[in-house]
Amino acid sequence: DAKTTQPNSMESNEEEPVHLPCNHSTISGTDYIHWYRQLPSQGPEYVIHGLTSNVNNRMASLAIAEDRKSSTLILHRATLRDAAVYYCIPTNYGGSQGNLIFGKGTKLSVKP
Amino acid sequence: GAGVSQSPRYKVAKRGQDVALRCDPISGHVSLFWYQQALGQGPEFLTYFQNEAQLDKSGLPSDRFFAERPEGSVSTLKIQRTQQEDSAVYLCASSWDRVGQPQHFGDGTRLSIL
Repeated sequence: DAKTTQPNSMESNEEEPVHLPCNHSTISGTDYIHWYRQLPSQGPEYVIHGLTSNVNNRMASLAIAEDRKSSTLILHRATLRDAAVYYCIPTNYGGSQGNLIFGKGTKLSVKP
Repeated sequence: GAGVSQSPRYKVAKRGQDVALRCDPISGHVSLFWYQQALGQGPEFLTYFQNEAQLDKSGLPSDRFFAERPEGSVSTLKIQRTQQEDSAVYLCASSWDRVGQPQHFGDGTRLSIL
């Protein structure tokens, strides 16, 4: 399983962009990169995923490095509701393991 | 809404008691996962079902932990002879298929063993 490295914590101001980095230098060629977030007292919530190309959805954007050894989750305008722990999780489509392997994630604080 | 529902939301039990935690997945979801989350840590995988078949139970910490999904929908995680180290949040997730699809999580059951 690919190991990931994320900052323990980050701070942002409300309505400013946030870039959450993740290093996954041992990722395999078939691993997609998934991001989940967990708000206080709630279960994790799917945010976005991608393989090689940058991806956008209504929640966020995902920028993937050309060598795929790192990625960045981008929240374009942080809100107070975005305060959560963000997990970067490489997964292996087509492999025998479908369960998610969570690390410690990045705890994002958003200041008003 | 039609999200994943877990009950009870909180459970307090005395050491040595048996507990049962329930998960109602999203209707039609084939895959169901159980995770355990200790305080301050990320969730850790316990077991996986594809419909009613338990295909992976490699994460269950001991034979005191047992899970079932007899009709391929609702699942129950049972812990026998509970111990203090079983105190954690137990999360259930479901998805259309095991591999690659986003998993939808419930809000968990917080289990406290006294």
